[in-house]
Amino acid sequence: DSGVTQTPKHLITATGQRVTLRCSPRSGDLSVYWYQQSLDQGLQFLIQYYNGEERAKGNILERFSAQQFPDLHSELNLSSLELGDSALYFCASSVGRGLSEAFFGQGTRLTVV
Amino acid sequence: AQKVTQAQTEISVVEKEDVTLDCVYETRDTTYYLFWYKQPPSGELVFLIRRNSFDEQNEISGRYSWNFQKSTSSFNFTITASQVVDSAVYFCALSDSGGSNYKLTFGKGTLLTVNP
Repeated sequence: DSGVTQTPKHLITATGQRVTLRCSPRSGDLSVYWYQQSLDQGLQFLIQYYNGEERAKGNILERFSAQQFPDLHSELNLSSLELGDSALYFCASSVGRGLSEAFFGQGTRLTVV
Repeated sequence: AQKVTQAQTEISVVEKEDVTLDCVYETRDTTYYLFWYKQPPSGELVFLIRRNSFDEQNEISGRYSWNFQKSTSSFNFTITASQVVDSAVYFCALSDSGGSNYKLTFGKGTLLTVNP
């Protein structure tokens, strides 16, 4: 168990809908990272937050947004969903601003139908 | 731009065989970190190892060993006496040293199947 908790584990939704994925980092970790794993793109970095502030941005679509709350949990919001958004979404956390060690949650499997 | 290449898409071995997973990386940074992760069929990503670019010592952890060669930009992973439970997708990843960007760049992964 990595200590990073992601909910829900599975999500099935229709095209055009909006969903929210939740991540609770390991106790004491200030950084949260979101990654998307899809069959065609592989594992891709989406975005990083450190202590509530956006720190780095990767290949995140404009339809996607994220935030980190004062209690350090993070949410990834995906809107106007398309079939191609079906993927495994991982959250990772680390203590500092950088990747001393990144511990990943078990992922949320999103299926858009 | 950073890049990680895992040329072996799939490897199949019989239990107790040794197997090496290859990883070649590209980066312009002088300081960087290399990682290996395991993704079993259940889907989670399990951290295996992190090495920084200044530490070229090979590492052994039980049946696992890693060979880091800066001269060839490679960070290969060997499983000795493989077991069925080793069956998984293995990812090599690279991160830069700092600045404002600490993202991991992953390879496409190698699917290892260990047959009894």
